[in-house]
Amino acid sequence: NAGVMQNPRHLVRRRGQEARLRCSPMKGHSHVYWYRQLPEEGLKFMVYLQKENIIDESGMPKERFSAEFPKEGPSILRIQQVVRGDSAAYFCASSPQRQNYEQYFGPGTRLTVT
Amino acid sequence: GQNIDQPTEMTATEGAIVQINCTYQTSGFNGLFWYQQHAGEAPTFLSYNVLDGLEEKGRFSSFLSRSKGYSYLLLKELQMKDSASYLCAVRIGNTDKLIFGTGTRLQVFP
Repeated sequence: NAGVMQNPRHLVRRRGQEARLRCSPMKGHSHVYWYRQLPEEGLKFMVYLQKENIIDESGMPKERFSAEFPKEGPSILRIQQVVRGDSAAYFCASSPQRQNYEQYFGPGTRLTVT
Repeated sequence: GQNIDQPTEMTATEGAIVQINCTYQTSGFNGLFWYQQHAGEAPTFLSYNVLDGLEEKGRFSSFLSRSKGYSYLLLKELQMKDSASYLCAVRIGNTDKLIFGTGTRLQVFP
């Protein structure tokens, strides 16, 4: 059973470009969570999605950031008009049900904005 | 607000025992998690406590006191591969999001 997949693993964007980060949850998991980890800081919750629904986006910046989890295909975290402060590691996690005792994390996407 | 505190760094010797403490002040509590994260890698699940007491799993144990807002992770028979960051996280109320501390970087020396 493959784990949570994220791609790309490393992404370099110039200021003003768009970044698209993809997350494929573990097989059988329909709950996806996105977290951001800034250098030397802890993981910060961004958004929680189920198929075709955003359940909790209380950690998402109000502008430029959006997330989706379509009926088919991976979950996408989209950052428009990236700025240097968006440089971070973005982790996706999945679980098979709500309030599962474990969230399974992917390897992360390291975004560098130049 | 939500606040989770852990020591920033700890060091220990191979074969020894180390205890990593975590205190939390959160609006609502629905479980405390410990994750291990090696540099540049994904966090991996270690333990989950929702009731007071000690949970033991091999060389790792985790303790929770909800009345004190306190948990610890105990690592026994330390190995070099245990050098990593250890993340304490709390699930808030009826939500599914985890609030993480900044992590404790543990270095194990021979």
